[in-house]
Amino acid sequence: EAGVVQSPRYKIIEKKQPVAFWCNPISGHNTLYWYRQNLGQGPELLIRYENEEAVDDSQLPKDRFSAERLKGVDSTLKIQPAELGDSAVYLCASSSGELKYNEQFFGPGTRLTVL
Amino acid sequence: LAKTTQPISMDSYEGQEVNITCSHNNIATNDYITWYQQFPSQGPRFIIQGYKTKVTNEVASLFIPADRKSSTLSLPRVSLSDTAVYYCLVGDAHNNDMRFGAGTRLTVKP
Repeated sequence: EAGVVQSPRYKIIEKKQPVAFWCNPISGHNTLYWYRQNLGQGPELLIRYENEEAVDDSQLPKDRFSAERLKGVDSTLKIQPAELGDSAVYLCASSSGELKYNEQFFGPGTRLTVL
Repeated sequence: LAKTTQPISMDSYEGQEVNITCSHNNIATNDYITWYQQFPSQGPRFIIQGYKTKVTNEVASLFIPADRKSSTLSLPRVSLSDTAVYYCLVGDAHNNDMRFGAGTRLTVKP
């Protein structure tokens, strides 16, 4: 079974440029998460989707970050415009309430460098 | 959400048992305790989850005292490949309401 797919794996951009990250969760997983992980820190939840509905976006900086999951499957996270402080690894995860532990399965992440 | 406190780092040697303790004084009745492992350049991976007493699987054991205000992840006979960051999460796992803390960086030495 394929895991969580993310692209691109790496992205280098100049500050003030836009950037987008894509995530395809494990088939059948209705919950999708986007996290940001700074160096040496734990993942910080940005947004959580239950199917196509964003149920927790309290930590998403809404002035520059946006996300969508239009058909309740894959998702896109966008930053516009990017700032130097946005350099981090962006992780996508998915889970299914049908699993015993409802554990989250993570993708490999996208490492963003803003110059 | 309950706040968790873990040691920032721990060192061990191959073949030893490692115990990582997590404090969560404000744990709620519906909260579960879940541990994840993260290797460099990878996303976290689920290790174990429990609600009370003891849970054991093929890779670890989780000990939870009766008051549930702390928990201990036990890794038997660690190897070099167990060098990773270990995160303790406390929250309503079945409502997807949990947060990662700073984690414990475990270094296993030969």
